Amino acid sequence: RKEVEQDPGPFNVPEGATVAFNCTYSNSASQSFFWYRQDCRKEPKLLMSVYSSGNEDGRFTAQLNRASQYISLLIRDSKLSDSATYLCVVNPNYGGSQGNLIFGKGTKLSVKP
Amino acid sequence: NAGVTQTPKFQVLKTGQSMTLQCAQDMNHNSMYWYRQDPGMGLRLIYYSASEGTTDKGEVPNGYNVSRLNKREFSLRLESAAPSQTSVYFCASSMWTANTGELFFGEGSRLTVL
Repeated sequence: RKEVEQDPGPFNVPEGATVAFNCTYSNSASQSFFWYRQDCRKEPKLLMSVYSSGNEDGRFTAQLNRASQYISLLIRDSKLSDSATYLCVVNPNYGGSQGNLIFGKGTKLSVKP
Repeated sequence: NAGVTQTPKFQVLKTGQSMTLQCAQDMNHNSMYWYRQDPGMGLRLIYYSASEGTTDKGEVPNGYNVSRLNKREFSLRLESAAPSQTSVYFCASSMWTANTGELFFGEGSRLTVL
């Protein structure tokens, strides 16, 4: 099983739609989780951290399910500007290692007018 | 605010040539990283430096060397470039505590090895 797995998509949705992405991780000891956004030919940028209790930032909601080892990202009322690739990122916390975030391959979202 | 600056942004090399990718950050971050991104592979860590004076191998270090010149600068060197090193390279930095997870990336360096 790969360490961090995502559905590559693409997800093609109309403006205003609600879309959800899931991500699974293999290391049950993983401590922290994040969603990054990467626009085409640009660098990744942190979208939001994922907390155990779930968290919301405007139209974006992130959830963590430790028992099933998956993370989700929900985008409500999709905008054209949401079109990007969404990267699921896990800190496996191997022996306290500070350096080794594990990036998923990303899920591509395309929002159409 | 410059953030993380990488140079060069584009480079074409012939097999066997050497080059150094430069990275500098102005956020007083302790940790710096070099990643490569290939189609269908996602971001993979090459080397990182948790603090000034230390460097550690990541997932794919073979064929690369790094230098943490000072707190601001972290360079990546390809001694003898190979076509398999054709990729987009990202430098990143972070203050780093175990749970913050926020990396700040440079704009990337696109390297082609012929």
